[in-house]
Amino acid sequence: LAKTTQPISMDSYEGQEVNITCSHNNIATNDYITWYQQFPSQGPRFIIQGYKTKVTNEVASLFIPADRKSSTLSLPRVSLSDTAVYYCLVHYSGGYQKVTFGTGTKLQVIP
Amino acid sequence: NAGVTQTPKFRILKIGQSMTLQCAQDMNHNYMYWYRQDPGMGLKLIYYSVGAGITDKGEVPNGYNVSRSTTEDFPLRLELAAPSQTSVYFCASSSLGAQETQYFGPGTRLLVL
Repeated sequence: LAKTTQPISMDSYEGQEVNITCSHNNIATNDYITWYQQFPSQGPRFIIQGYKTKVTNEVASLFIPADRKSSTLSLPRVSLSDTAVYYCLVHYSGGYQKVTFGTGTKLQVIP
Repeated sequence: NAGVTQTPKFRILKIGQSMTLQCAQDMNHNYMYWYRQDPGMGLKLIYYSVGAGITDKGEVPNGYNVSRSTTEDFPLRLELAAPSQTSVYFCASSSLGAQETQYFGPGTRLLVL
């Protein structure tokens, strides 16, 4: 299984934009990248998904450069309720078992 | 819709005991998954199913068994509990497979002593 790498932790003040990067090697053109958010004692929750360039929804943006060796989750104007662990998930086209959760990035939003 | 439900929420097992973790979904999803999450770590796939009667191993299947007799249910069986199986177990489902959003249950916390 190919490996994904994320920063272990990040701190941000309320109202700032936060960018969390995920490094992933050897992903194919059709491989999707998905970001999940997890609060303590809860299951992960879907945030955003994409496979190329830029995707935006009501809560986040996902940027994937042309070389596809990394992707960046952007959270605009974070609030205290955004304090959570964020996981980058790469869906390798080789099969369902090739679903790799990264180690996660613990985001702490500071008042 | 209740989404994905899991029971029990918490369980303590003695070494060598057996138990079944229950998972059910009411979204008519074909794909279901079992993950374990050790403290401070990411999720690791144990088993998955692409439909009733079809299951396959994930990254860490040793010590576990699954069955899928209906679309709704996907129980996970621990036959001989070991301390290394102390973890939080999450069940998830998706409609069309790995490329689709997975919906997770609330988790079952298991402690093996």
